[in-house]
Amino acid sequence: NAGVTQTPKFQVLKTGQSMTLQCAQDMNHEYMSWYRQDPGMGLRLIHYSVGAGITDQGEVPNGYNVSRSTTEDFPLRLLSAAPSQTSVYFCASTPDRVNSPLHFGNGTRLTVT
Amino acid sequence: QKEVEQDPGPLSVPEGAIVSLNCTYSNSAFQYFMWYRQYSRKGPELLMYTYSSGNKEDGRFTAQVDKSSKYISLFIRDSQPSDSATYLCAMSGGAGGFKTIFGAGTRLFVKA
Repeated sequence: NAGVTQTPKFQVLKTGQSMTLQCAQDMNHEYMSWYRQDPGMGLRLIHYSVGAGITDQGEVPNGYNVSRSTTEDFPLRLLSAAPSQTSVYFCASTPDRVNSPLHFGNGTRLTVT
Repeated sequence: QKEVEQDPGPLSVPEGAIVSLNCTYSNSAFQYFMWYRQYSRKGPELLMYTYSSGNKEDGRFTAQVDKSSKYISLFIRDSQPSDSATYLCAMSGGAGGFKTIFGAGTRLFVKA
């Protein structure tokens, strides 16, 4: 049972490049979300999904796209990378029970130069 | 003003000390309160989960919630070097539904 798996672990991009951060979970959780973690800012919600085919914006969605075609996968796309998107990105999932705790992956460390 | 305020530390204590970590919040609708522990270069992992006001104990860890003061605490007894990590408070409920809001995290160092 792998839990929440994120790839890649590290990535360096140049300004303007695009990329997709992958997230997969094998716990059959309905709810998945993406957070970014910056020093002094804590974890901030980017986008979330309450089930396949349903996504919505969180607190800091600009510059990011998501889709949810299957229960297992929830990729995060950076359309045109900017230095302000340098951060650590975490994917999380939880069962469809309201307010159940989040299960996190180990993050993707992204640097945009 | 942030919805959840948490002192980032760092907090350095000797082994065996009692550690007190705290958060304040502004949204009175929050009903679920969590503490996550995050080791360096790892994802957060759930440590404590409580609903509404009161205390919850699990081994060396005690979580307290005071909704009247909008204040939550995590106590660690007999702290160990392996407790050195960042501790994140988090909360959810109310109009935000299942969205979880996190504090900035407190870095804790326990010296042997």
